[in-house]
Amino acid sequence: EPEVTQTPSHQVTQMGQEVILRCVPISNHLYFYWYRQILGQKVEFLVSFYNNEISEKSEIFDDQFSVERPDGSNFTLKIRSTKLEDSAMYFCASTAQGGNTEAFFGQGTRLTVV
Amino acid sequence: GENVEQHPSTLSVQEGDSAVIKCTYSDSASNYFPWYKQELGKGPQLIIDIRSNVGEKKDQRIAVTLNKTAKHFSLHITETQPEDSAVYFCAASRINNDMRFGAGTRLTVKP
Repeated sequence: EPEVTQTPSHQVTQMGQEVILRCVPISNHLYFYWYRQILGQKVEFLVSFYNNEISEKSEIFDDQFSVERPDGSNFTLKIRSTKLEDSAMYFCASTAQGGNTEAFFGQGTRLTVV
Repeated sequence: GENVEQHPSTLSVQEGDSAVIKCTYSDSASNYFPWYKQELGKGPQLIIDIRSNVGEKKDQRIAVTLNKTAKHFSLHITETQPEDSAVYFCAASRINNDMRFGAGTRLTVKP
């Protein structure tokens, strides 16, 4: 069964450093998303991406965050200068079409900022 | 913005009993309400969803009801099994899966 894959599974970084989280969405999907989940809290929407541009973003997705689809398969989330409060599980998701349809989530990248 | 409230935060039932999880939402423009199951170490997985033009949807032991007037929706699991033990999240979305999630319910099904 096709799945969304994320790498790395765990990333530890120093405060102030840049990190790039990587995702390979399901191959025929066209819409891509990033969510995050701070430990023990709810899953929060960050951004949606379609046709090489951001469709929607939440208030969390500030100038420190950026997304990119550098090639035909990868979808990345970059955090420019990490803060302690960026520590969370980051989930990538993809859907085959727009509107509201089933989103397939990856297994997540646990980011720890020290 | 949209605010989704979910109750209870934890729920423990005996195997075979039913489990009900309730959510409320604030944005009347939300029109898609998925439910996700998250097992330890994994990403959320869709188990059932409902759109605003439908009041109820059922899939085997799982059902979801939606009351648009009251802005609440519920997940019902009947004949629970130990493998139903997980964290369940409700969500509400307006367009393009900009989902706002509830805080989650940790369901434990005791054998």
